[in-house]
Amino acid sequence: SQQGEEDPQALSIQEGENATMNCSYKTSINNLQWYRQNSGRGLVHLILIRSNEREKHSGRLRVTLDTSKKSSSLLITASRAADTASYFCATDAGGNKLVFGAGTILRVKS
Amino acid sequence: NAGVTQTPKFRVLKTGQSMTLLCAQDMNHEYMYWYRQDPGMGLRLIHYSVGEGTTAKGEVPDGYNVSRLKKQNFLLGLESAAPSQTSVYFCASRSGNSYNEQFFGPGTRLTVL
Repeated sequence: SQQGEEDPQALSIQEGENATMNCSYKTSINNLQWYRQNSGRGLVHLILIRSNEREKHSGRLRVTLDTSKKSSSLLITASRAADTASYFCATDAGGNKLVFGAGTILRVKS
Repeated sequence: NAGVTQTPKFRVLKTGQSMTLLCAQDMNHEYMYWYRQDPGMGLRLIHYSVGEGTTAKGEVPDGYNVSRLKKQNFLLGLESAAPSQTSVYFCASRSGNSYNEQFFGPGTRLTVL
């Protein structure tokens, strides 16, 4: 069964708007990661947040982690058409492997 | 530096046929993974390897076998393909020194008729 569950399943916004995606998980984790997948391509790592961190920034990306609620959010600010992709959260609960959620499909309209 | 490569990119099989998917990485990574991706289900781990000569089962290992004879290669085998194995297969690798950030290949689209 999947550890992470993303919400919403799909999101459509206008260029320049912010996009927020949420991820919930079930067990204690070492870290949580976000990946992007463009249509027909492999996944690309975006950002990693450790269990003892609450917020992390990378360019236009902001990730938060609330371990008490077992949830994380990914915010993309000032979105661009090139941000159109699927976004996945993945949890590292140990055991040398990640467990991926089902993903959020983001469409940015220009 | 090619990163992670997968061969072939596309394949159509008939039920009962066998095939091997090849994953190669040139980053000297210790860990390698095989996933399958089905619509609406994200990625599910099939098998993985924590080093040359080692393999372990993931979430959905049935119907697949793997081998890691060389550090840079990870092979995924289907001995008798079934329509339920129609999927997109991704290979990934990571360094033993990282916080488990994985690098992915471009995928293999497999259809079993």
